[in-house]
Amino acid sequence: ETGVTQSPTHLIKTRGQQVTLRCSSQSGHNTVSWYQQALGQGPQFIFQYYREEENGRGNFPPRFSGLQFPNYSSELNVNALELDDSALYLCASSVDRFSWFFGPGTRLTVL
Amino acid sequence: GENVEQHPSTLSVQEGDSAVIKCTYSDSASNYFPWYKQELGKRPQLIIDIRSNVGEKKDQRIAVTLNKTAKHFSLHITETQPEDSAVYFCAANSGGSNYKLTFGKGTLLTVNP
Repeated sequence: ETGVTQSPTHLIKTRGQQVTLRCSSQSGHNTVSWYQQALGQGPQFIFQYYREEENGRGNFPPRFSGLQFPNYSSELNVNALELDDSALYLCASSVDRFSWFFGPGTRLTVL
Repeated sequence: GENVEQHPSTLSVQEGDSAVIKCTYSDSASNYFPWYKQELGKRPQLIIDIRSNVGEKKDQRIAVTLNKTAKHFSLHITETQPEDSAVYFCAANSGGSNYKLTFGKGTLLTVNP
């Protein structure tokens, strides 16, 4: 059984650019959530996808958007990057929407 | 929305001692409370969880207790080992159809040999 994977591992962008992060959920997991983890903080919920539809959103602006594909993999897109977007972006998947298993994350640096 | 408070923010113990981390939550509809361990540069790893219909759950050296009336839950690690050193996060789910987790700010546990 393959765990949650994310790509890329690290990314450096400049302010105003756009970025796409990718996540492959654990085998059989149909729900994916994305979290932002700033340095020294707990993960913060961005949004969740269940069967290709958004199922809840945290306090993040519309320039944070996402997709889920038929194979349950997912993308997180961030437009008009700001310096404060620098963080570790974590994807988590679940089969029962209780136990969540996290990927290794993508470290995004915005200069 | 849900608010999760976690303390202490740092905890240092001697190898073999016990460690206790406490969390409180605000949403009485929350019904699932996981604990994650995150080592430096690694992903958060689910180590134990508890649902609201249970008061205590144990897995080897790790236990979690839940007091729904007081809205608090705790992680207990016995016989600590240096490899237990990490940041520990508590979390609570939201009570509605949105199954998001709200995390505490974390506790840095250091186990000294």
